[in-house]
Amino acid sequence: EVQLVQAGAEVKKPGESLKISCKGSGYNFNSYWIAWVRQMPGKGLEWMGIIYPGDSETRYSPPFQGQVTMSVDQSMNTAYLQWRSLRASDTAIYYCARGDESSISYEYDLWGQGTLVTVSS
Amino acid sequence: QSVLTQPPSVSAAPGQKVTISCSGSGSNIGSNYLSWYQQLPGTAPKLLIYDNNKRPSGIPDRFTVSKSGTSGTLGITGLQTGDEADYYCGTWDSSLNIWVFGGGTKLSVL
Repeated sequence: EVQLVQAGAEVKKPGESLKISCKGSGYNFNSYWIAWVRQMPGKGLEWMGIIYPGDSETRYSPPFQGQVTMSVDQSMNTAYLQWRSLRASDTAIYYCARGDESSISYEYDLWGQGTLVTVSS
Repeated sequence: QSVLTQPPSVSAAPGQKVTISCSGSGSNIGSNYLSWYQQLPGTAPKLLIYDNNKRPSGIPDRFTVSKSGTSGTLGITGLQTGDEADYYCGTWDSSLNIWVFGGGTKLSVL
């Protein structure tokens, strides 16, 4: 089955670090772009950025540049989203989504189930 | 403030038709493919329409789209209570070099 499976919910304190995962299966993981999308409580979808697992080429949306780091482990067919120092405003559901094989600008046809990140003291 | 503009909410009765608009500019909708996503309550988004007017397998033809210049419209006919969801448009913006989503439209089937 073609799917993206994300890690379970996380509860962290402000200032802590975090790395969440998105594992692809059932397709050639290295050949499709993977995007990360934030959804804050009761709000809409925000595109954070995108990474190409084949060569780790990455593009960040300006509000998220320098705030998060996207990476991949090709051997594990897994993409990661990482924070060095969490803030309460990072509380949200984070989705990974599969993009196109060839173009960075096409639709997202496969979505992970989302990871809820709660940051609270 | 989203780059793509959608109405916050729309509503219609079961069996009726509803349309959801998505307005952008020449650097996004005007020059790239538009796609639409459905997010049922408590679930992840799902691709509904891509390449302006194509449906993934399993998406019924009750969902239609049109695109003209810098705007697109999603139409849903034969509304069902199961269509109650948030709907988002999205596309690449060639000037910003990022993907952009609309703010989302909440559909209520009364």
